[in-house]
Amino acid sequence: GDSVTQMEGPVTLSEEAFLTINCTYTATGYPSLFWYVQYPGEGLQLLLKATKADDKGSNKGFEATYRKETTSFHLEKGSVQVSDSAVYFCALSDAGGGADGLTFGKGTHLIIQP
Amino acid sequence: EAQVTQNPRYLITVTGKKLTVTCSQNMNHEYMSWYRQDPGLGLRQIYYSMNVEVTDKGDVPEGYKVSRKEKRNFPLILESPSPNQTSLYFCASSWSHRHHEQYFGPGTRLTVT
Repeated sequence: GDSVTQMEGPVTLSEEAFLTINCTYTATGYPSLFWYVQYPGEGLQLLLKATKADDKGSNKGFEATYRKETTSFHLEKGSVQVSDSAVYFCALSDAGGGADGLTFGKGTHLIIQP
Repeated sequence: EAQVTQNPRYLITVTGKKLTVTCSQNMNHEYMSWYRQDPGLGLRQIYYSMNVEVTDKGDVPEGYKVSRKEKRNFPLILESPSPNQTSLYFCASSWSHRHHEQYFGPGTRLTVT
């Protein structure tokens, strides 16, 4: 079945550092790919998405490019802030034609220190 | 404001006492889903519904029931809760199950003693 693998962390960085969170996936079809963010005590919010190969999703300074050849969707940000501290989830949607919605990675806890 | 609401946000109960967690969305979404979030396991889907009166099992359905009598509501029912159902629960909705982002509720933290 479909699966998503991401680094689990915690990942600790200093403010203004460059961020990369790796995400790779396994899917039988052509999935859409998503990054969700969960701030402490809150639900998940969509951060960005890409629906086909070579698409780049971007939002709030974060970017991720859908790489079909490497089955990857790595999240990057050039200069992180303390307010970016959160848990980040990579997810894919319905690659194989089934009806079960999103498949999530286990989440990466990001801690940004001032 | 477009949103998914869940109630209650926090619940402590005892083994075997039936409970219902409500979920409602105001976006006219067809697809709704329940997930549980556990440390080290990420989010796992419990049940989903593709439309009114259409529900199906996700990855971890044991011990749960759902119903979808109206488009906006998708309650999660625990007939006889057990301690292994202590978890953080999220309801989500989207236009369809395919290629559309899901909108999540704020979560319900359930403790079963």
